[in-house]
Amino acid sequence: GENVEQHPSTLSVQEGDSAVIKCTYSDSASNYFPWYKQELGKGPQLIIDIRSNVGEKKDQRIAVTLNKTAKHFSLHITETQPEDSAVYFCAASGGYQKVTFGTGTKLQVIP
Amino acid sequence: KAGVTQTPRYLIKTRGQQVTLSCSPISGHRSVSWYQQTPGQGLQFLFEYFSETQRNKGNFPGRFSGRQFSNSRSEMNVSTLELGDSALYLCASSLPVGGGRNEQYFGPGTRLTVT
Repeated sequence: GENVEQHPSTLSVQEGDSAVIKCTYSDSASNYFPWYKQELGKGPQLIIDIRSNVGEKKDQRIAVTLNKTAKHFSLHITETQPEDSAVYFCAASGGYQKVTFGTGTKLQVIP
Repeated sequence: KAGVTQTPRYLIKTRGQQVTLSCSPISGHRSVSWYQQTPGQGLQFLFEYFSETQRNKGNFPGRFSGRQFSNSRSEMNVSTLELGDSALYLCASSLPVGGGRNEQYFGPGTRLTVT
């Protein structure tokens, strides 16, 4: 089955700096890569996603890149703000709605 | 449009008991997936239902089961509860009728504590 590795497990940045979270996946059949943000006491919220036919996607301060050859994908958050503090999960899916999640990155933005 | 709702939000059960959790997907969504979230194992896929049929299943024992009704609402059941079943159980809905993007939208979860 699919295996998704995520690094780092914790990340502290100063407000205004950039944050980068990296993931690798094992199944070359995976073609959908969502990123979720989970705040305390809430369910994961989809913040951006990318499909295997696209190399990069950007939405305001958030961008995701995908390298299919290396089976790597990354989340980039620029101009971080305190409200960006949360746990971020990468995920990979190859079909239907079965999604394999990474282990999560706890991001702390220091004001 | 209302989001995914899960009931109850919190539950305390004793070892050996069984429990039923409920999920109401976003109106018009046909697929419901269930996940277990624990600090040690992270987010793990339990199963997915589409049009009242289980389409996909994760690696959980048979004590974990589910079903989906004709209105797309779903329930999951855990029998003979064990201490290790303590977790946040999340439901996600997707696949709107008529097509569209297949991203999943999560509910707030049900926090199950087994004592």
